Amino acid sequence: QSALTQPASVSGSPGKSITISCTGTSSDVGRYNLVSWYQQYPGKAPKLMIYEDSKRPSGVSDRFSGSKSGNTASLRISGLQAEDEAEYHCCSYAGSSTWVFGGGTKLTVL
Amino acid sequence: EVQLVQSGAEVKKPGESLTISCKGSGYSFTSYSISWVRQMPGKGLEWMGRIDPSDSSTDYSPSFQGHVSISTDRSITTAYLHWSSLRASDTAMYYCARLVALANTDYFDFWGLGTLVTVSS
Repeated sequence: QSALTQPASVSGSPGKSITISCTGTSSDVGRYNLVSWYQQYPGKAPKLMIYEDSKRPSGVSDRFSGSKSGNTASLRISGLQAEDEAEYHCCSYAGSSTWVFGGGTKLTVL
Repeated sequence: EVQLVQSGAEVKKPGESLTISCKGSGYSFTSYSISWVRQMPGKGLEWMGRIDPSDSSTDYSPSFQGHVSISTDRSITTAYLHWSSLRASDTAMYYCARLVALANTDYFDFWGLGTLVTVSS
């Protein structure tokens, strides 16, 4: 059970869009429609942003969207704002009542 | 209001034992599993394991199996993470999270604020 692979960092200018990838295997990301994404500010607890690959919880901005193709899930943030600068973590169900996270991606808004 | 309140920061020596806690409120405690998630300094999140408070069944990540144990006391709606012998490499922030795990869906919807564990001689 290896961690999902995310880029260490991404950056974008205000108003632009960025995409964060999350690559797993056919045993986790590719097998289940159960990828979730979490936003984490420094020193704070994670917050759910996307679940079931592409669904948004109530209260999460529609600037955040999720998708998946094969073994790679993606989080897209459009209309970047300064408040989006945070760490983003993906997570997938991995079978047998286990879950696996990615290494996290630091988003910098230039 | 759903809340997960975690116990305070701990400083321990290698080899010592430790139990940290996570008290749930504002929801039916036995209807949702509680997971524990580790975050080492400057690193990503790692799923450690989970407990179903309704029957105390547990599942662990292979990376943590045998080194930690998870338990619960339903009467006080609290979940625990226990080490019998700490290592310096256990130094990390530990989060508890409520797991929504239903047919065709699962995610961690509420998180505690974390418990910082420092293990140093």
